[in-house]
Amino acid sequence: QSVLTQPPSASGTPGQRVTISCFGSSSNIGTNSVNWYQQLPGMAPKLLLYINDQRPSGVPDRFSGSKSGTSASLAISGLQLEDEADYYCAAWDDSLNGGLFGGGTRLTVL
Amino acid sequence: EVQLVESGGGLVQPGGSLRLSCAASGFTFSDYWMTWVRQPPGRGLQWVANIKQDGSANYYADSVKGRSTISRDNAKKSLYLQMDSLRVEDTAVYYCARRRGKQWLDYWGQGTLVTVSS
Repeated sequence: QSVLTQPPSASGTPGQRVTISCFGSSSNIGTNSVNWYQQLPGMAPKLLLYINDQRPSGVPDRFSGSKSGTSASLAISGLQLEDEADYYCAAWDDSLNGGLFGGGTRLTVL
Repeated sequence: EVQLVESGGGLVQPGGSLRLSCAASGFTFSDYWMTWVRQPPGRGLQWVANIKQDGSANYYADSVKGRSTISRDNAKKSLYLQMDSLRVEDTAVYYCARRRGKQWLDYWGQGTLVTVSS
């Protein structure tokens, strides 16, 4: 059971905006920044957002992130078929002195 | 171009040992913390271990602590994970990744599969 809690699934149609939430606690999201990873089917994970809302080079601005208190969210606007993937939030936990991943959210583009 | 290539995975019996390797190229390996992450079949990502640039500090998930050792050879630009007393629940694809800041992983390898089964 992950300490970072995400919904197991999300869905949307092309062009729509979807959001994925990530709930943590004071020792992880409450204290440290949140990062998001995208894992396409059969592929290695890829960094999508870091320090809550920063996009690495090459990541479209359709992807955005936010953090408030002990929760964070990933928003994808203008949904595309190629966005169908698993999305993971992640943060460092100061109590565990270790890294944490959320359980992952499978996004289906209908 | 940054590249991370894992190797060393395979089939091992419960209680056995395995040493995973990760060959790095395209960046100054000795400048970065490195991380191992694993993914059991059909399940989510799990952080395994981190190691500091010079190998002087390392951190482990409770699930592998005492059974696994992360190490590195900066001259060979290589990261390692020695796994002992392997359990069925250690079955997973193991990824090495480059760590930035306080735990974001900006480059990942393609992974190597470890299967623990009798």
